[in-house]
Amino acid sequence: NAGVTQTPKFRVLKTGQSMTLLCAQDMNHEYMYWYRQDPGMGLRLIHYSVGEGTTAKGEVPDGYNVSRLKKQNFLLGLESAAPSQTSVYFCASRMDMNTEAFFGQGTRLTVV
Amino acid sequence: ELKVEQNPLFLSMQEGKNYTIYCNYSTTSDRLYWYRQDPGKSLESLFVLLSNGAVKQEGRLMASLDTKARLSTLHITAAVHDLSATYFCAVDPRRGSNYQLIWGAGTKLIIKP
Repeated sequence: NAGVTQTPKFRVLKTGQSMTLLCAQDMNHEYMYWYRQDPGMGLRLIHYSVGEGTTAKGEVPDGYNVSRLKKQNFLLGLESAAPSQTSVYFCASRMDMNTEAFFGQGTRLTVV
Repeated sequence: ELKVEQNPLFLSMQEGKNYTIYCNYSTTSDRLYWYRQDPGKSLESLFVLLSNGAVKQEGRLMASLDTKARLSTLHITAAVHDLSATYFCAVDPRRGSNYQLIWGAGTKLIIKP
């Protein structure tokens, strides 16, 4: 039972490079979320999706794009990485409004 | 503005003691979740509270929800070192959230032997 799987687990980027983080869930969940977690900042929502083909902006969307072409996958893209995007990124999914969210193991991204 | 406030944000306590973490929220909600995060790890669901008066217990942890006071508590009984972690609460507002969970800042709990 895989749950929520994030790829990659670690990455180092140079400023200006681009990359895509993949989140895959095998629980047939409708809602998916991308968060970033910085020391002392808690969780901040970047983008989220309430179903296949839908996306919406969260609290800190600038510099990121997302896509949900398939229900099980939620991709987070960084078009031109900046040092301020150094963070730990978590993907989460949930079935509906009455259930808890399940989290992936996180991606530790460093932009130098 | 939808807010979720946890207190304390940091707690250092001795093994064997009891303590309570508080989670206050600013909007109408009867759905609240508690999570645990170990250092360098992901978030793990602890409790799901879906109605006023809901109480859930797992080992030395007990969570409750008072929707009228807009307050949830996470009570630790006879703390042990293994409970050292950061604890988050998250609220699911009935409206105005666009399906988002609203998160508290987390309470870092250190339990000393």
